[in-house]
Amino acid sequence: AQRVTQPEKLLSVFKGAPVELKCNYSYSGSPELFWYVQYSRQRLQLLLRHISRESIKGFTADLNKGETSFHLKKPFAQEEDSAMYYCALSAASNTGKLIFGQGTTLQVKP
Amino acid sequence: DTGVSQNPRHKITKRGQNVTFRCDPISEHNRLYWYRQTLGQGPEFLTYFQNEAQLEKSRLLSDRFSAERPKGSFSTLEIQRTEQGDSAMYLCASSFAQGGYEQYFGPGTRLTVT
Repeated sequence: AQRVTQPEKLLSVFKGAPVELKCNYSYSGSPELFWYVQYSRQRLQLLLRHISRESIKGFTADLNKGETSFHLKKPFAQEEDSAMYYCALSAASNTGKLIFGQGTTLQVKP
Repeated sequence: DTGVSQNPRHKITKRGQNVTFRCDPISEHNRLYWYRQTLGQGPEFLTYFQNEAQLEKSRLLSDRFSAERPKGSFSTLEIQRTEQGDSAMYLCASSFAQGGYEQYFGPGTRLTVT
């Protein structure tokens, strides 16, 4: 079964501290992994995808197929990073449908 | 084009009533997705269209739910005989028809069934 697990509902850090939001997935094929973000009162939007291998707003995520993980990291958290973060998987069936994790609220305190 | 739009933004209905939601995707996008999100959970896939064809439906989509996308433009999601368990945020997203392309989400329609 295809599944995405985000073990932390809430992650609270101080400004300037490193951040790691965990994501583990279950999928037998070659998945495409994404991180979506939802800021307060805004719609869900793509933050980054593993195939791009890029850093967006200082965030990076590396796909680890051995550990079936796609953790999101940022070395120095900013207050504006406070938001809900969702990890999502797209199966390689070309439907594009996304399977989301439960989400992690990141709270960056001043 | 200001992105994906959804109407209404909020809907309160009594149990047993029918409701219909509308989604207008980004005009160049030929794929359109519906998701449902309940409190404390991530969005769950319901169904998707490529142009006017409905290509996949989730088991979550009971026979009380029906979705259409006439002419491959806007889409409607209808729920018949609503139940309290249908209360959720209904999200629409659109994208190009290639796997891996970014899905752009609408603001959602929040349904409350009393």
